[in-house]
Amino acid sequence: GAVVSQHPSWVICKSGTSVKIECRSLDFQATTMFWYRQFPKQSLMLMATSNEGSKATYEQGVEKDKFLINHASLTLSTLTVTSAHPEDSSFYICSAPLRAGGNEQFFGPGTRLTVL
Amino acid sequence: QKEVEQDPGPLSVPEGAIVSLNCTYSNSAFQYFMWYRQYSRKGPELLMYTYSSGNKEDGRFTAQVDKSSKYISLFIRDSQPSDSATYLCAMSEGNTPLVFGKGTRLSVIA
Repeated sequence: GAVVSQHPSWVICKSGTSVKIECRSLDFQATTMFWYRQFPKQSLMLMATSNEGSKATYEQGVEKDKFLINHASLTLSTLTVTSAHPEDSSFYICSAPLRAGGNEQFFGPGTRLTVL
Repeated sequence: QKEVEQDPGPLSVPEGAIVSLNCTYSNSAFQYFMWYRQYSRKGPELLMYTYSSGNKEDGRFTAQVDKSSKYISLFIRDSQPSDSATYLCAMSEGNTPLVFGKGTRLSVIA
């Protein structure tokens, strides 16, 4: 299967700071990447669809000014949580389809964010 | 009614048992069906990917899709303690975001 990496794997920050999470497709190009959030013992919640070279598409209820997404290349998408607060503490996971428009999605290992 | 329903469990079985995991869905437009395994504090790992109705087998895993009943299953034969994880079903109409079930927590007891 395809490999998707995320960095960092975990981060602890103070309330009010911004945190950037990187998602990379290591052995394939991804024109689209997806960002999910997962709370303990809950399923994955789609936050936004990241499109290379264009604006991200956000799901209803997700603040685009708080969760900034940049998909600057075919192998890298970043999610920046701006002015993080304790309620933003969660497990953030990205995924990418192996082929453009494909349905087989491969997930990164996730980033655990804790906001103090 | 949620688009995808999945019993959250937990499901506990002895080592060597056959495990049956299931999801039902309401959207008849779903055509692509996936099963993911997620270990604690890890990203989901794609186990099985099927298109439309039918069966697919890969080692100890068998995925079944019955579109007429809007029902999909994952069978695990000769279950091992290392199979203990949360299993998520996911589905898509095609070229659309995946819709996930809540996941079923499985424990295989040695």
